[in-house]
Amino acid sequence: DQQVKQNSPSLSVQEGRISILNCDYTNSMFDYFLWYKKYPAEGPTFLISISSIKDKNEDGRFTVFLNKSAKHLSLHIVPSQPGDSAVYFCAASPLNQAGTALIFGKGTTLSVSS
Amino acid sequence: EPEVTQTPSHQVTQMGQEVILRCVPISNHLYFYWYRQILGQKVEFLVSFYNNEISEKSEIFDDQFSVERPDGSNFTLKIRSTKLEDSAMYFCASKVNTEAFFGQGTRLTVV
Repeated sequence: DQQVKQNSPSLSVQEGRISILNCDYTNSMFDYFLWYKKYPAEGPTFLISISSIKDKNEDGRFTVFLNKSAKHLSLHIVPSQPGDSAVYFCAASPLNQAGTALIFGKGTTLSVSS
Repeated sequence: EPEVTQTPSHQVTQMGQEVILRCVPISNHLYFYWYRQILGQKVEFLVSFYNNEISEKSEIFDDQFSVERPDGSNFTLKIRSTKLEDSAMYFCASKVNTEAFFGQGTRLTVV
């Protein structure tokens, strides 16, 4: 049972354009969401997060949007750069259970061409 | 900047052998995790550890697996009798509040 779904396994974008990565979740207990970036042969690196009390969180070129009623979140990267090429994982957990594990989606491979 | 460190970076072992994967979490973190990623598949949760005991584990984490924090700094994952399907990248993570920070991973190859 996939509680966190990233339905697009890959995305190709030109440098300078916007990249939009999508994530859906099914567990209504999730109220904290994170995006991780992963390069080959490295561990996931935390990118940005959002709690369910917000619908948007921005950090530089990265913005995460949360639509709680649709159980959907998205990561926008603008402008996209070749160095952004990596696998992006969406993850979720219940906020009020600090020790609870993050549940990851399968990831979306982003390729940014120059 | 503090980071999670894992050793070794690559471990090759024969089927049926025991392996111990080691992790040094970030020093003030309270929650510790092991995840694995089989080649081409998603990052899967194995186990979480808090206050010197397992707080949560997945179906993958069966009797062949164990975790320990023997000296207050290291956090280890032991696989007692490795199987071919245990070949994967194993990631350790730690957190103090909400964001988990991951190590670089140990690539385990069972032959």
